[in-house]
Amino acid sequence: DVKVTQSSRYLVKRTGEKVFLECVQDMDHENMFWYRQDPGLGLRLIYFSYDVKMKEKGDIPEGYSVSREKKERFSLILESASTNQTSMYLCATYRESNQPQHFGDGTRLSIL
Amino acid sequence: LAKTTQPISMDSYEGQEVNITCSHNNIATNDYITWYQQFPSQGPRFIIQGYKTKVTNEVASLFIPADRKSSTLSLPRVSLSDTAVYYCLVGDEAAGNKLTFGGGTRVLVKP
Repeated sequence: DVKVTQSSRYLVKRTGEKVFLECVQDMDHENMFWYRQDPGLGLRLIYFSYDVKMKEKGDIPEGYSVSREKKERFSLILESASTNQTSMYLCATYRESNQPQHFGDGTRLSIL
Repeated sequence: LAKTTQPISMDSYEGQEVNITCSHNNIATNDYITWYQQFPSQGPRFIIQGYKTKVTNEVASLFIPADRKSSTLSLPRVSLSDTAVYYCLVGDEAAGNKLTFGGGTRVLVKP
């Protein structure tokens, strides 16, 4: 079974802080994604990566950046956290096109 | 923004069949349709995937018409534990085959 591990289940930070959300997968998948999930809006894609050091913007990249230095780890960075970034953040991975995505259990981030 | 459309919510009773339809007019030629289930405080979990016609596994069936512009997830004889949000996922041709989730359908199964 694919295991996708997000570093924190719950996180509380203050406005203006730099925030790192980490995601690690154990199946050597090339493709990794970061989503945020908000009530009534479903899952929205922030960034994705098809290979090490490669990244592409999703639907809502503003205010975020990502880092993929190793294949198994994909980090989401909030350079200067704001209250409108309070959300559930979900990491996902899959092996190749048209294969199912495997999700972590999410990080519930609160920005005060 | 998502280019798929699903009903926001559906209610059902234990033992009934639940059918959820997803519209995806801009599906890419080579893309599959995938459905996920999500419980509170968990990540989405894969249910079923198909390309055309009908696919069935131990938990659900997926019906896809010839034009592939919609798909219907069928959950036979639901139980209380099937209460969840169900998402359909397809490629978005208008956005260069970027994967796009639908808005999700909240299914409530009542006793």
